[in-house]
Amino acid sequence: EAGVAQSPRYKIIEKRQSVAFWCNPISGHATLYWYQQILGQGPKLLIQFQNNGVVDDSQLPKDRFSAERLKGVDSTLKIQPAKLEDSAVYLCASSYTGVFEKLFFGSGTQLSVL
Amino acid sequence: GESVGLHLPTLSVQEGDNSIINCAYSNSASDYFIWYKQESGKGPQFIIDIRSNMDKRQGQRVTVLLNKTVKHLSLQIAATQPGDSAVYFCAENTGFQKLVFGTGTRLLVSP
Repeated sequence: EAGVAQSPRYKIIEKRQSVAFWCNPISGHATLYWYQQILGQGPKLLIQFQNNGVVDDSQLPKDRFSAERLKGVDSTLKIQPAKLEDSAVYLCASSYTGVFEKLFFGSGTQLSVL
Repeated sequence: GESVGLHLPTLSVQEGDNSIINCAYSNSASDYFIWYKQESGKGPQFIIDIRSNMDKRQGQRVTVLLNKTVKHLSLQIAATQPGDSAVYFCAENTGFQKLVFGTGTRLLVSP
């Protein structure tokens, strides 16, 4: 089966610019996650969707980050305006139901903010 | 690709040795735990999971042990191979299917 697809693979922007990341989860997976992974750290959950509804966005910096999952399939994560500390790998993951289930991760988008 | 975990704890072993990677988790109410392997430039890859009603679970060359009394999780890899070199993360489900990841351990396997 196809894995979680993410694009772009790399992105370099200057601070205060905006950027968007795209994720296509595994077909049939109802739960979708966006994680931020800063170099040397474990992934940190930003937002969790169940179908097209938000389950948890408690750690999403809502003043600059936004995410949507229209039609309960693809998802986009946006940062506007970006800060230097946003430099990280942004990982998308999905699972069938999210209940006692492993997450399947994409390869991530590596963001560098200069 | 990106190098993951430049300042992580590191475990160095020889090929063929058994490896043990440890993890202390934070939430005594966590009911599900997963070990992930992350190679440079890639997303985390599932290795093995365990629910809180179990103490041990075995997979192919891997065993996870759970000690709820001291909130400790370990991953044992038998006959470690160079391809096992990666960063290993434990993750705990703290509720509502919210996985919280640990800081990771780098495993280096020498041929």
